[in-house]
Amino acid sequence: TQLLEQSPQFLSIQEGENLTVYCNSSSVFSSLQWYRQEPGEGPVLLVTVVTGGEVKKLKRLTFQFGDARKDSSLHITAAQPGDTGLYLCAGDDDMRFGAGTRLTVKP
Amino acid sequence: NAGVMQNPRHLVRRRGQEARLRCSPMKGHSHVYWYRQLPEEGLKFMVYLQKENIIDESGMPKERFSAEFPKEGPSILRIQQVVRGDSAAYFCASSRGRTGGSPLHFGNGTRLTVT
Repeated sequence: TQLLEQSPQFLSIQEGENLTVYCNSSSVFSSLQWYRQEPGEGPVLLVTVVTGGEVKKLKRLTFQFGDARKDSSLHITAAQPGDTGLYLCAGDDDMRFGAGTRLTVKP
Repeated sequence: NAGVMQNPRHLVRRRGQEARLRCSPMKGHSHVYWYRQLPEEGLKFMVYLQKENIIDESGMPKERFSAEFPKEGPSILRIQQVVRGDSAAYFCASSRGRTGGSPLHFGNGTRLTVT
């Protein structure tokens, strides 16, 4: 089993601020997937990163896969209250999830 | 084009009863995963199934818990003789393939409360 550590565990910021959350492992992954979960719902896929060093952008969200394919980061620019949720990463090889980063964006 | 359907949405059981959680995957998906989530925590892997086969059950307690995904019908997660510690949200996800970037599509979960 490939363990994923996510940091920070909790993050509370004001609307308009930027933030970065991390997903780290000592294992190499074929690919990593990022999901967002809102209260009372199941997680929804945001992006899959496949190639080492890859950068993918989804509007104000920027995802990066480490060169060694052991870690990934998610950067949100000008956060909005609608970004509030639990951000989860999962390794594609075994579909285990990290513990998540719980983000709260205050208006 | 229905997504992953889980039912019931909420389930209340008394200690010692059985809980049956159902999951209908998306059309065309033959891979099903079950996860458990406690409040304010992440998703804990329980079991991975393909049609009629359990592929990986390493995250599932060996006693009282079982899962199946028959040729016809939904996947079932069964918890026998429930205890208060089984109270949690149980999520099912389906995918088209095993790896290679096949994303998981999640249902909205079954919230089990054991009284």
